[in-house]
Amino acid sequence: GDSVTQMEGPVTLSEEAFLTINCTYTATGYPSLFWYVQYPGEGLQLLLKATKADDKGSNKGFEATYRKETTSFHLEKGSVQVSDSAVYFCALSESGGYQKVTFGTGTKLQVIP
Amino acid sequence: DTAVSQTPKYLVTQMGNDKSIKCEQNLGHDTMYWYKQDSKKFLKIMFSYNNKELIINETVPNRFSPKSPDKAHLNLHINSLELGDSAVYFCASSQEGVAPTDTQYFGPGTRLTVL
Repeated sequence: GDSVTQMEGPVTLSEEAFLTINCTYTATGYPSLFWYVQYPGEGLQLLLKATKADDKGSNKGFEATYRKETTSFHLEKGSVQVSDSAVYFCALSESGGYQKVTFGTGTKLQVIP
Repeated sequence: DTAVSQTPKYLVTQMGNDKSIKCEQNLGHDTMYWYKQDSKKFLKIMFSYNNKELIINETVPNRFSPKSPDKAHLNLHINSLELGDSAVYFCASSQEGVAPTDTQYFGPGTRLTVL
């Protein structure tokens, strides 16, 4: 079955540091890939997505590139802010039939001033 | 203008009780979902409805019964609550729920605590 593996957290960074959160996936077909973010006490919201190989999703300074050859979708940001502190979820959705999203276990990011 | 809303936000109850959580979306989406998030933040799909029709039903105890009176509402009723049901329950919706590219829009969650 489909699965998503994320690096375990928590990740603690100083403000303005470079962020990478690793994500790899297993899927039978050609999935769409997503990063969702969950701020404290809130529901998840879409951060970015990529729907085919070599696509780059970007939003709010975050980027991730769909790498089919390495089955990866790593999240990066050049300079994190305290307001980026949240839990980040990598997810995939396969084609065919009704949409069913498989989420990774989430990576908690804490940015300290 | 909340897109996906859930009530209540917090629910504390005794073991053995029956409780319901309500969800409404005003996005005009066709598909709605229930997810369970455990204490380690692991998020797992429970159910999905497309235009009031059940389309995803994961391995969930039959004490959990979803109901969709119309495509804007998806409620979750839980009978005979157990300690292990304590979690945060999220409702979500997506435009069609067919395309793998669809974005899911989440509600703020309902934190259920079973004592």
